[in-house]
Amino acid sequence: GAGVSQSPSNKVTEKGKDVELRCDPISGHTALYWYRQSLGQGLEFLIYFQGNSAPDKSGLPSDRFSAERTGGSVSTLTIQRTQQEDSAVYLCASSLEGRPNYGYTFGSGTRLTVV
Amino acid sequence: GDSVTQMEGPVTLSEEAFLTINCTYTATGYPSLFWYVQYPGEGLQLLLKATKADDKGSNKGFEATYRKETTSFHLEKGSVQVSDSAVYFCASLGATNKLIFGTGTLLAVQP
Repeated sequence: GAGVSQSPSNKVTEKGKDVELRCDPISGHTALYWYRQSLGQGLEFLIYFQGNSAPDKSGLPSDRFSAERTGGSVSTLTIQRTQQEDSAVYLCASSLEGRPNYGYTFGSGTRLTVV
Repeated sequence: GDSVTQMEGPVTLSEEAFLTINCTYTATGYPSLFWYVQYPGEGLQLLLKATKADDKGSNKGFEATYRKETTSFHLEKGSVQVSDSAVYFCASLGATNKLIFGTGTLLAVQP
């Protein structure tokens, strides 16, 4: 597609429920990144995919968080047993393989609210 | 590890005022440096970048120069407009191959 697409744009969930956030990167972009933006905070790195593998998942805050990518394209970030501190905007970005210096293209994000 | 520090906001300016948003970085080696902008209700957009020392990135009247000696990448604009109101993020990309962001600076430009 023309840009990075994320869905849903907004999600309200009850504490303890599982949620899935979807990211559809720019066609041909093999690198995909997930970040989290909390109120008053900067952007926190979560995980990086190159193709379908995740060489760097060091930013996942707990084992409740997981992510996968299939077909070198769509990625899903799953948060199990959501907690109120998981409330944030989750951003996905993609870039061309081997050309991160050109910058990432970000999606508009998914605003997650845990009540 | 790598980190980015930028001045806290909010920064409130009148239209046509001069803008500076300070940014410094710590990194192993020589990272590439970026400024991203987030307009109200929109996603992050790349504003400008510099990939080596003394490079100047520029876009939409904004400029930033990669200063290795002071490990800085300050954002400047000579005359801001109301439409420049946004949150500005400084970021570095080093050997870890992931963008490290500062906490963001909110700029509010008043007519």
